Amino acid sequence: GAGVSQTPSNKVTEKGKYVELRCDPISGHTALYWYRQSLGQGPEFLIYFQGTGAADDSGLPNDRFFAVRPEGSVSTLKIQRTERGDSAVYLCASSLTRDDNEQFFGPGTRLTVL
Amino acid sequence: SQELEQSPQSLIVQEGKNLTINCTSSKTLYGLYWYKQKYGEGLIFLMMLQKGGEEKSHEKITAKLDEKKQQSSLHITASQPSHAGIYLCGADFYSGGSNYKLTFGKGTLLTVNP
Repeated sequence: GAGVSQTPSNKVTEKGKYVELRCDPISGHTALYWYRQSLGQGPEFLIYFQGTGAADDSGLPNDRFFAVRPEGSVSTLKIQRTERGDSAVYLCASSLTRDDNEQFFGPGTRLTVL
Repeated sequence: SQELEQSPQSLIVQEGKNLTINCTSSKTLYGLYWYKQKYGEGLIFLMMLQKGGEEKSHEKITAKLDEKKQQSSLHITASQPSHAGIYLCGADFYSGGSNYKLTFGKGTLLTVNP
C-alpha cells in the first residue's frame, strides 16, 4: 500500500514569504508527527497530532509555525514570515496509534529560504 | 551538549566486514529506537529496545540496550552495500512512554565498499 507522502518535495522561497507543506499519512493511521531535520543533524520533534487535535506542539520553535489536521488525515505545516534559519528538511511520520512504536516516515520536504 | 551522542560520526568498511555503531545517552532511556535513512528519503524503522539488557535482531543487524539503559549498540554482521546509509538512534526520555517525542542523535554515516 501507499506510504506517507509529502508535497512538495522541494520548496524554494524568499525570506518573509509564507509556505505550506503537506503530509498525507498512511490511510487509517490516527497519529501524525512533524519533525525538522537540519543539515548534519538528527530529526527534531515539532508537533504530534492524535486525530484532528494537536496533542503536543511543544516542539514548534515559535508562533510563526502552525500545523493543522482538520479531518484527521492530511496535515499541513504552515510557516509565516519565513527566515533563512527555517531552511531544513521537514519530515512527516504517521503511526497506527500513539501507542504504536513504529513511525512510518515520508521522504520529507526540503525547504530553502533565500 | 547533545543528550544523545552517536559514534562514530562516519564509518567506511569493506563489504563483508562487521561493524558496530554506538549511541550513548546522558539520561535514562525509556525506549531506544534505531532508524536508517538514505539521502533524500525518509527514515526506515529498524527496531525498538525498551528493557535493560534487551537484544533484538533483524536479518544481519543486531541492537542491544545495556543494563543501565543509557547506551545502545547496533551491530552489523557481514556488511553489504545495501547496508550503506545514515543510522540514527532516537531516544524516549519520558517514563510515561511518550514514544512519539523522540530525541535523535546526529547519525552515523555508513559507507560499504564492494
